[in-house]
Amino acid sequence: NAGVMQNPRHLVRRRGQEARLRCSPMKGHSHVYWYRQLPEEGLKFMVYLQKENIIDESGMPKERFSAEFPKEGPSILRIQQVVRGDSAAYFCASSPQWAKNIQYFGAGTRLSVL
Amino acid sequence: TQLLEQSPQFLSIQEGENLTVYCNSSSVFSSLQWYRQEPGEGPVLLVTVVTGGEVKKLKRLTFQFGDARKDSSLHITAAQTGDTGLYLCAGLVTGTASKLTFGTGTRLQVTL
Repeated sequence: NAGVMQNPRHLVRRRGQEARLRCSPMKGHSHVYWYRQLPEEGLKFMVYLQKENIIDESGMPKERFSAEFPKEGPSILRIQQVVRGDSAAYFCASSPQWAKNIQYFGAGTRLSVL
Repeated sequence: TQLLEQSPQFLSIQEGENLTVYCNSSSVFSSLQWYRQEPGEGPVLLVTVVTGGEVKKLKRLTFQFGDARKDSSLHITAAQTGDTGLYLCAGLVTGTASKLTFGTGTRLQVTL
């Protein structure tokens, strides 16, 4: 079952450290999306990427957050100098080119900032 | 501003009962998805509806997309304990690229 794979599942960081979250899309999917789910809140869109391109980053915080989807390898969501407010579940989804609305989600990475 | 409002927020019923969850918006959606999310896991796609008035059935689950494509409902017949979970609607607002807007969620608990 080659679904959307995210790692790590759990990540603990101290304030000021960097967090790197990885996402491998489903086989054959070239579109990747990152969403954040804060405690007791709904899922919020962060960024949409295709291979080597950021298509829509309207949901990304202006500072400390970046995302990439290189030609080879997984998509990476990077959070620099983490703060306690970054603690959340980060979900990656992927879709095929022909049906971008049909997004399949990974199990998520739960980031805890101490 | 929450684009998609779900109701009820919480629902606790006994096995065998029927229930309906609603997803409402003032925006028009080009498509709408329903997901179910278990604790500690990611949302699992249940269905996608794209045409106004569309009805889709998935075993005991019936999904309907409103004629104006602004609302949707999920009806579960004869609920089972395995239906317990968080139900999320998510839509693509017409004219946007591919970012899903998620509803507020309905937490369903089915007990024996």
